[in-house]
Amino acid sequence: GENVEQHPSTLSVQEGDSAVIKCTYSDSASNYFPWYKQELGKRPQLIIDIRSNVGEKKDQRIAVTLNKTAKHFSLHITETQPEDSAVYFCAASMGVGKSTFGDGTTLTVKP
Amino acid sequence: NAGVTQTPKFQVLKTGQSMTLQCAQDMNHNSMYWYRQDPGMGLRLIYYSASEGTTDKGEVPNGYNVSRLNKREFSLRLESAAPSQTSVYFCASSERQGSSYNEQFFGPGTRLTVL
Repeated sequence: GENVEQHPSTLSVQEGDSAVIKCTYSDSASNYFPWYKQELGKRPQLIIDIRSNVGEKKDQRIAVTLNKTAKHFSLHITETQPEDSAVYFCAASMGVGKSTFGDGTTLTVKP
Repeated sequence: NAGVTQTPKFQVLKTGQSMTLQCAQDMNHNSMYWYRQDPGMGLRLIYYSASEGTTDKGEVPNGYNVSRLNKREFSLRLESAAPSQTSVYFCASSERQGSSYNEQFFGPGTRLTVL
């Protein structure tokens, strides 16, 4: 089955700096790559996603890049703010019931 | 819209007891899922229902059963709870448009402790 590896497991940055989280996947059939943010004690919520026919997608301070050849995708957060502190999960999907999640990255933004 | 709702929010069971976790969505989504989340780990799929009337095993189905009661509701049952089932359980739903797979909307979670 699909295997998703997410790095780093923890990331600490100063407010205003950029943060980058990377994920690799194993199955070239995966075609949908969402990123979820989970605040402490809350539910995961989608922040950005990308499909396999797109190389990059941006939404204000958040961007995702996808390299299908290398089978990796990354989340980029610019101008980080304390409210960006949360656990971020990547996932690789090839259909209903066929999503595999990474183990998560705990991002801490220091004021 | 309430989105995805789950009951109960918290539950403590003794080993061997049974219980059912309830989930409902009001977004008219076809697909529904049950995940468990353990500390330091991502979300692992227990069971899913691609559409009303169908259910399939996910990555970690042992010890669980599910029922897709109707399009809105998808329940998860623990027949004989074990301490290894202590976890946070999330229900989710999604809609598929043609061949495209879309984001999952998660419920608030149920924190289950098995003593």
